[in-house]
Amino acid sequence: EVQLVESGGGLVKPGGSLRLSCAASGFTFSTYSMNWVRQAPGKGLEWVSCITGDSKHMDYADSVKGRFTVSRDNARNSLLLQMNTLRAEDTAVYYCAREISGRYFEHWGQGTLVTVSS
Amino acid sequence: EIVLTQSPATLSLSPGERATLSCRASQSVSSYLAWYQKKPGQAPRLLIYDASNRATGIPARYSGSGSGTDFTLTISSLEPEDFAVYYCQHRSNWPLFTFGPGTKVDIK
Repeated sequence: EVQLVESGGGLVKPGGSLRLSCAASGFTFSTYSMNWVRQAPGKGLEWVSCITGDSKHMDYADSVKGRFTVSRDNARNSLLLQMNTLRAEDTAVYYCAREISGRYFEHWGQGTLVTVSS
Repeated sequence: EIVLTQSPATLSLSPGERATLSCRASQSVSSYLAWYQKKPGQAPRLLIYDASNRATGIPARYSGSGSGTDFTLTISSLEPEDFAVYYCQHRSNWPLFTFGPGTKVDIK
């Protein structure tokens, strides 16, 4: 059974940093591109970042480019998101998600809440 | 940049009724469109991919149709657990993944 479990969320001040983790199990992690998707309170879903299975390609939404860095550790089946220079508008539940056919998100974690507030 | 628009914003229906949700793309996306269900406090769930294919474990009352720029998600007979927000989604060259703003299906 595919399982994705996020951790690392919490309360951080504007300008601060946080690192999110996603522990994956139940599939061959290294063969799948992985993504971060977020949902701000009362808002819709927003794609944040993706990384290919071999870590050769990463991409980011304009709203986080230059501040967030995605990485992965295939030996440990984990996906990471380093978030720097956090802003109030980064407040959201962050989900990790596994792609299917390179186009859609087939499996999702339960999410971790990030709150940016002074 | 491809923009996805969903209508209506809210759909108020009773259990047993048919729900018809629309997603329109600003340019053709062929059949590369998915639908997700999102409930408060839960992870999104993939319902339909490639416009009309049900994902694993999705009940037959959910169906998707359309191609090009106009797509429809139909729930043939609403069950109590179907009241949620529904999002369409597409992958393009940039931004990599786009979601529509969502349609809330609530109880009338």
